[in-house]
Amino acid sequence: KAGVTQTPRYLIKTRGQQVTLSCSPISGHRSVSWYQQTPGQGLQFLFEYFSETQRNKGNFPGRFSGRQFSNSRSEMNVSTLELGDSALYLCASSFSGTANYGYTFGSGTRLTVV
Amino acid sequence: AQRVTQPEKLLSVFKGAPVELKCNYSYSGSPELFWYVQYSRQRLQLLLRHISRESIKGFTADLNKGETSFHLKKPFAQEEDSAMYYCALSGRASGTYKYIFGTGTRLKVLA
Repeated sequence: KAGVTQTPRYLIKTRGQQVTLSCSPISGHRSVSWYQQTPGQGLQFLFEYFSETQRNKGNFPGRFSGRQFSNSRSEMNVSTLELGDSALYLCASSFSGTANYGYTFGSGTRLTVV
Repeated sequence: AQRVTQPEKLLSVFKGAPVELKCNYSYSGSPELFWYVQYSRQRLQLLLRHISRESIKGFTADLNKGETSFHLKKPFAQEEDSAMYYCALSGRASGTYKYIFGTGTRLKVLA
């Protein structure tokens, strides 16, 4: 079966712009989580969605938002981009809401803000 | 507070030497523990789960509840083990499930 698909793979944006990233989980997976990965901070949790509801949220400013659709696909939006938002954004899906079987990660979207 | 600590940012060992990647956690319940690995230019992937008590690619990890540790071990390191390793914890806290990653340890296996 297809893995977790993230689009686009690469993005270059200018400060002040906004961006939308997309994630299609593995078929049947209802939980989708987003992480920001940077060399200095490692994996930072953004938010988690389960059955279209945001269940958990990390410590990121309100410029970071997301949603999940009825088919479990998820989008993440960042408004008013800052240079510090440059990172690899990872999406992970799991079958259960508890992720006790672990997450399956996508390849990520590398966002560069100039 | 729930926390996963990986004290070493970088661990270098010679090929054939034993490897131990440390992971300590702070959690007020019964968590599920995981190890993930990210090879160069590859996606982050699940290596093993403590509930499975499995050995993957020669790696094992034992959950020590007394010491709140979940160290990853391999008796003989191979060059292809060079990668970034993340320890993670899953558990219920404040009525919701949390999934927390450590900051990762880069393993370099030297020839």
